Amino acid sequence: KNEVEQSPQNLTAQEGEFITINCSYSVGISALHWLQQHPGGGIVSLFMLSSGKKKHGRLIATINIQEKHSSLHITASHPRDSAVYICAVRLGGNNDMRFGAGTRLTVKP
Amino acid sequence: EAQVTQNPRYLITVTGKKLTVTCSQNMNHEYMSWYRQDPGLGLRQIYYSMNVEVTDKGDVPEGYKVSRKEKRNFPLILESPSPNQTSLYFCASGPLGTYGYTFGSGTRLTVV
Repeated sequence: KNEVEQSPQNLTAQEGEFITINCSYSVGISALHWLQQHPGGGIVSLFMLSSGKKKHGRLIATINIQEKHSSLHITASHPRDSAVYICAVRLGGNNDMRFGAGTRLTVKP
Repeated sequence: EAQVTQNPRYLITVTGKKLTVTCSQNMNHEYMSWYRQDPGLGLRQIYYSMNVEVTDKGDVPEGYKVSRKEKRNFPLILESPSPNQTSLYFCASGPLGTYGYTFGSGTRLTVV
């Protein structure tokens, strides 16, 4: 079983829809990252969380440490949000990183 | 412009020929790290560094070396590349604490 599980693997939405991507992990962590990988391959760090909630524009990330779960929400989705979204955790006790397999999001106009 | 610069972007090499992929950042970040990305396996961490002269193994360090002699540079060295090291490599840097990382544009390496 992977240490970091994401769902869904693939997601297709219509422009304007509210989107949720989930990440569950089975290890102790010190922080969790949400990354966005564009179709061209470049990676952008969206959020780094150790507790609570963060918001940046139309993106919201939450984490529940007790339940070992995080969600990434996109409000009013747009075709330019089409990308692979990757959850990554920094292990507690050291700085090793473990990654989820990614969620491929396609937003149709 | 704040950035992480990786070179080269593309490289085709032969088995056993030593190579170095360079990574440089201009943001005075303490943390730097190397990852590889493979179809079906996703991203995996190779090595990371918390500061100058401090390096640690990640998930898949076998066959790789790194050094951190200066804060801005974190080269990835393949002493004797093999075909199973064909992959897309990313370097990233970040400040210590709960801040996000900045990623380089990636290096696509093919070992034949």
